[in-house]
Amino acid sequence: QSALTQPASVSGSPGQSITISCTGTNSDVGGYNYVSWYQQHPGKAPKLMIYDVSSRPSGVSNRFSGSKSGNTASLTISGLQAEDEADYYCTSYTRSSTWAFGGGTKVTVL
Amino acid sequence: EVQLVESGGGLVQPGGSLRLSCAASGFTFTAHWMTWVRQAPGKGLEWVANIKQDGSRTHYVDSVKGRFTISRDNAKNSLYLQMNSLRAEDTAVYYCASNTDYRFDYWGQGTLVTVSS
Repeated sequence: QSALTQPASVSGSPGQSITISCTGTNSDVGGYNYVSWYQQHPGKAPKLMIYDVSSRPSGVSNRFSGSKSGNTASLTISGLQAEDEADYYCTSYTRSSTWAFGGGTKVTVL
Repeated sequence: EVQLVESGGGLVQPGGSLRLSCAASGFTFTAHWMTWVRQAPGKGLEWVANIKQDGSRTHYVDSVKGRFTISRDNAKNSLYLQMNSLRAEDTAVYYCASNTDYRFDYWGQGTLVTVSS
């Protein structure tokens, strides 16, 4: 049960777009369209931002979008805002009927 | 309003046991798989275990197999995690989360478990 690989940090200026990658294997990310993304502010519970690779829950800004190519999924935040500064985690269903999380990416708004 | 409220965390010595609870309200508990996710201090999220709607199927991360048991009481809208043979590396905030299809759509605020002598 290996963790998915995310960059430790990504930064951008307000209004810019950033992309966070999430790399797994064909036993998880590449094998299923069940990648989801979570935002976590310090001291708070995670919040679902994207599910099933690219679907957005009701109430989540359309500045957040997801995609996948092969074994790598991506989360893009466009029109970066100060409130987007947080940790972001990807997760994928796996062939073992378990879930793998990425190590998390700290997004900094410059 | 959906609410998931964890309880039962605390300080326990290595080798000890603890039982976490998660009280659910505001949604149809019996319609959802339920999950425990943990987060060690300053670290990332780690999926721990999940349980099917009727309790008939469970899955665990390798590191807790044989030590932790997930269960639920649908009559009480409650989820549990029995943790035995606790180790220092089990120290974390434990979150319960509801599953809809293949996503964790609602999360509790977490309960802190500290394993230390």
